[in-house]
Amino acid sequence: EMQLVESGGGLVQPGGSLRLSCTASGFTFSSFWMSWVRQAPGKGLEWVANIKQDGTEKNFVDSVEGRFSISRDNAKNSLYLQMNSLRAEDTAIYYCAKYHLSHFDCWGQGNLVTVSS
Amino acid sequence: QSALTQPASVSGSPGQSITISCTGTSNDVGGYDYVSWYQQYPGKAPRLMIFGVNNRPSGVSNRFSGSKSGNTASLTISGLRAEDEADYYCCSHTSTGTYVFGTGTRVSVL
Repeated sequence: EMQLVESGGGLVQPGGSLRLSCTASGFTFSSFWMSWVRQAPGKGLEWVANIKQDGTEKNFVDSVEGRFSISRDNAKNSLYLQMNSLRAEDTAIYYCAKYHLSHFDCWGQGNLVTVSS
Repeated sequence: QSALTQPASVSGSPGQSITISCTGTSNDVGGYDYVSWYQQYPGKAPRLMIFGVNNRPSGVSNRFSGSKSGNTASLTISGLRAEDEADYYCCSHTSTGTYVFGTGTRVSVL
């Protein structure tokens, strides 16, 4: 069974940094694009970033470009999101998601990031 | 990267059919057959319901179907049941290699 488990969330002050991790199991992690999707409290889903199988191609939503970076370690079946210069509007549940062909077919349970002083 | 437009809420009685629209542009919904739909219960992760405009993953009821015309995609739920009460989001690939979700629709079963 495919599974994604996120970790690393928590409370951080504005301007601070946080690193999220996502560990995959039940599928060949190195064969798939991976993404981060977030959901602010009471709001809709927002795609944040993705990374190609070998890490050579990455894309970001405009609002996090230059502040967030995405990486992966295929040997550890792990995906990461490094978040710098955090703002209050980055407060959200962050999901990692596996991308297959045209859709996100596996989601993690979500990890809450709260940016507040 | 503006969100795709969905109605905020749609409701129906048990057994009825409802349709949720998802309107984008030629740079996303209209340009690709990469539209997917997700169901989300409060406090839970999204679940894939439709992919590639009109395909159902295994395990998803055939009461769920998808379609697309021009820049608008649609999700239809037939034979509405109480368990269908949830939030639904569409999603599309875009011309810039990114993805965009819809604004979300709350489905209520009367």
